Amino acid sequence: SQKIEQNSEALNIQEGKTATLTCNYTNYSPAYLQWYRQDPGRGPVFLLLIRENEKEKRKERLKVTFDTTLKQSLFHITASQPADSATYLCALGGDFGNEKLTFGTGTRLTIIP
Amino acid sequence: EAGVVQSPRYKIIEKKQPVAFWCNPISGHNTLYWYLQNLGQGPELLIRYENEEAVDDSQLPKDRFSAERLKGVDSTLKIQPAELGDSAVYLCASSSQTGSSEAFFGQGTRLTVV
Repeated sequence: SQKIEQNSEALNIQEGKTATLTCNYTNYSPAYLQWYRQDPGRGPVFLLLIRENEKEKRKERLKVTFDTTLKQSLFHITASQPADSATYLCALGGDFGNEKLTFGTGTRLTIIP
Repeated sequence: EAGVVQSPRYKIIEKKQPVAFWCNPISGHNTLYWYLQNLGQGPELLIRYENEEAVDDSQLPKDRFSAERLKGVDSTLKIQPAELGDSAVYLCASSSQTGSSEAFFGQGTRLTVV
């Protein structure tokens, strides 16, 4: 069966360190992968998109990698700040031409001052 | 530019009652999604529209859920009758085109069925 797993429900990181979140998928062949941030009581907000033919994407302190062999994406936040505390969701799209966007369960990240 | 607008923000109803949620997407966005999100889970797609056509409603429980997108703009999601297990956040999102473009989400409607 198809599955999208994000490494852990919750992750605590010391301020200033790099936070690394993992998204693993099974029985998907996505054309692209997106990362979203969700704060309590709010809808998800788009952060980054990476396509299957791209290895890495960067945006300010954010970096995403996409390994279609390992079926894994890593999401890094460098020089983390307490304001980065939120739930982060990965989403797969373009699976065998299907444009449905399927989300993982999310990782709740807390940056400790 | 206004974002995706959803109403109501919160809704409490008794089981077996009907309920409707409304969504106004970003102007010009052809693709509209309705997602359901349970506590601690990621959003799950209920239905996706391209303009006024429902192109993916495979996850919509059609015995009690219905949706429409008249004129390819605003959309309404209805549940009739509501069950206790329908308590969740219902999110609407829109994007400028299908396929890899980012989805813009509304704040959601938190439904509580008692």
